Amino acid sequence: NAGVTQTPKFRILKIGQSMTLQCTQDMNHNYMYWYRQDPGMGLKLIYYSVGAGITDKGEVPNGYNVSRSTTEDFPLRLELAAPSQTSVYFCASSRDQGYGYTFGSGTRLTVV
Amino acid sequence: GNSVTQMEGPVTLSEEAFLTINCTYTATGYPSLFWYVQYPGEGLQLLLKATKADDKGSNKGFEATYRKETTSFHLEKGSVQVSDSAVYFCALPVNAGGTSYGKLTFGQGTILTVHP
Repeated sequence: NAGVTQTPKFRILKIGQSMTLQCTQDMNHNYMYWYRQDPGMGLKLIYYSVGAGITDKGEVPNGYNVSRSTTEDFPLRLELAAPSQTSVYFCASSRDQGYGYTFGSGTRLTVV
Repeated sequence: GNSVTQMEGPVTLSEEAFLTINCTYTATGYPSLFWYVQYPGEGLQLLLKATKADDKGSNKGFEATYRKETTSFHLEKGSVQVSDSAVYFCALPVNAGGTSYGKLTFGQGTILTVHP
């Protein structure tokens, strides 16, 4: 019953560093998503994937990259971290359109 | 694309009080509507959903009715508990039909605090 697993839970980066946020799901869901949550701003979609090998940009993709080599994994890559990327990042998956999401527990990232 | 407006909070209630959190939407067609809940320090969880007009979603004592006439999906609970303290998000697909690929647009969230 793992659902969606995100690692790490917390991370502090210096400006210009890079890192990868990991996301794995064990429900065989085709649809996966990365959102960022800023205080009082709701969630904004960064990237999404409708299946292995297929990814596309969301609302706020600049400064991020993703890959989807397997159904289970959907890592989010930050290149050249900036203070504006300080946020809480959530990965989510869905069985199909209209079913709603299963979310991971989030990664709190601070860029200093 | 579709959009959602959620009542601004925070909302502070005493235990056993009645709760309403307003959510209105603008959409093409009749999309599925969702309420998510985020407990402190956790990710979001699907609370309830409704897939067509006049549907009522319910879970854990919470209810919301899909009202196409008023384009609303207000969240209600008859008697809140301290354990209901959380942030509540209304959401719907970003576009009509199959073009959304499951992508959701979320309201800004309403913080609910329930005191004993």
